[in-house]
Amino acid sequence: GNSVTQMEGPVTLSEEAFLTINCTYTATGYPSLFWYVQYPGEGLQLLLKATKADDKGSNKGFEATYRKETTSFHLEKGSVQVSDSAVYFCALSDRETSYDKVIFGPGTSLSVIP
Amino acid sequence: DTGVSQDPRHKITKRGQNVTFRCDPISEHNRLYWYRQTLGQGPEFLTYFQNEAQLEKSRLLSDRFSAERPKGSFSTLEIQRTEQGDSAMYLCASNRRGATEAFFGQGTRLTVV
Repeated sequence: GNSVTQMEGPVTLSEEAFLTINCTYTATGYPSLFWYVQYPGEGLQLLLKATKADDKGSNKGFEATYRKETTSFHLEKGSVQVSDSAVYFCALSDRETSYDKVIFGPGTSLSVIP
Repeated sequence: DTGVSQDPRHKITKRGQNVTFRCDPISEHNRLYWYRQTLGQGPEFLTYFQNEAQLEKSRLLSDRFSAERPKGSFSTLEIQRTEQGDSAMYLCASNRRGATEAFFGQGTRLTVV
């Protein structure tokens, strides 16, 4: 079945460091790919998305490129801030097989220290 | 606020009691989803509604769980005879047919003592 794997956390970085969170997926059909973010005490927010191969999603300085050949969607940011501390979830939605339900990875906790 | 709304935000109940949660999706969204999130894990799919029809249920949804969406608008999730293992965050999400992403509510945190 469809699934998402992402790097284990927690990840601790100093402010202004470069961030990469790896994500790979297994899916039938043609999934859309997402990164959701969950700040402490809050609900899930969509951070960025990509709907087809080679698309790049971007938002708030974060980027991720849909790589069909490697089934990956790694999240990157060039310079993290303390306010980026949160849990990041890679996810997919496969319209051909799953009524658009979103399948999530286990999440990666990020802590950014000043 | 026109986002997905969930009520209550927090619920503490004794083992064996029944609880009911409510979700109000974004008004023009005909698709509604329930998820469960335990500590340190990603959300897990529970069930899906298209309008008032419940079209998919996860194996996670035991016989003690029931969900409804009677008029295709708000939805309720009921857990009967709660167990400590039911303690989790219950998330609701909605979107329109053809949309690629879902919008999530703040969740209802259930604690069974």
